[in-house]
Amino acid sequence: DTAVSQTPKYLVTQMGNDKSIKCEQNLGHDTMYWYKQDSKKFLKIMFSYNNKELIINETVPNRFSPKSPDKAHLNLHINSLELGDSAVYFCASSQDSVAWGYTFGSGTRLTVV
Amino acid sequence: AQSVTQPDIHITVSEGASLELRCNYSYGATPYLFWYVQSPGQGLQLLLKYFSGDTLVQGIKGFEAEFKRSQSSFNLRKPSVHWSDAAEYFCAVGIMEYGNKLVFGAGTILRVKS
Repeated sequence: DTAVSQTPKYLVTQMGNDKSIKCEQNLGHDTMYWYKQDSKKFLKIMFSYNNKELIINETVPNRFSPKSPDKAHLNLHINSLELGDSAVYFCASSQDSVAWGYTFGSGTRLTVV
Repeated sequence: AQSVTQPDIHITVSEGASLELRCNYSYGATPYLFWYVQSPGQGLQLLLKYFSGDTLVQGIKGFEAEFKRSQSSFNLRKPSVHWSDAAEYFCAVGIMEYGNKLVFGAGTILRVKS
C-alpha cells in the first residue's frame, strides 16, 4: 500500500486555468506538507498543516490555496496558472516532530503551456 | 538563517569506487540531519538521519554519514558504489522552530561509470 499518494502524476494545462492536486497519507501522521521542486531541482516548502490547521505558509502567492479536510488529506488548489508555476510538486507527511523526517509522495509534474 | 550547502553539483565515480558527498549546514541549535535520494522521475526516499547519539549513522543501501559538529558537516559515504546508486542526493536539516520543516540543499547528482 502506498504510504503517501498524490494524484495526478502528470498535469498539463493552459495558462489561466485552475487545477487541483490531491494528496493522501495512510501512515497516521499528524503533519502534511507541500513542497515545490523547480527546474533546477531545488526543493522549497510551501505549506504545512498539522491536524487540519495551517502551520507554515512560506510567501506563496495567494493563487495557491491548500485545503485539509482531515489529517490524512492535504490538497493543493492553484488558480490562474502561470508559466512559472511549472514544477514538480511533492506532498509529504511526518509525525509531529521533524526529527523523524518526512515520507514523500512520488510527485506531480505540472506543466503550464 | 538556516541553510544547507552541498558544494558539489555533479560527482562522477567508477562503479566499485568509494563515494563521499559533502554537506554543510548552518543552524544555531542541535540539528536534525537527513540524507534523501531521488531517482529520475521518482519521489524522495530517506537514506538515513541523525538527531542524537553516535555521530556515525548507518542507513539503507549501504550508505553511512558522519556528523561533525565542529565542521558543521554531515557527509554521506559509501565504500563501493553500484550503478544503481546513480541518482540525485539531497541533504536536509530539520528545523523545529517555525513549524517543523526540512530545509534542503540544492542536491548533488551522482553519475556512476562502468
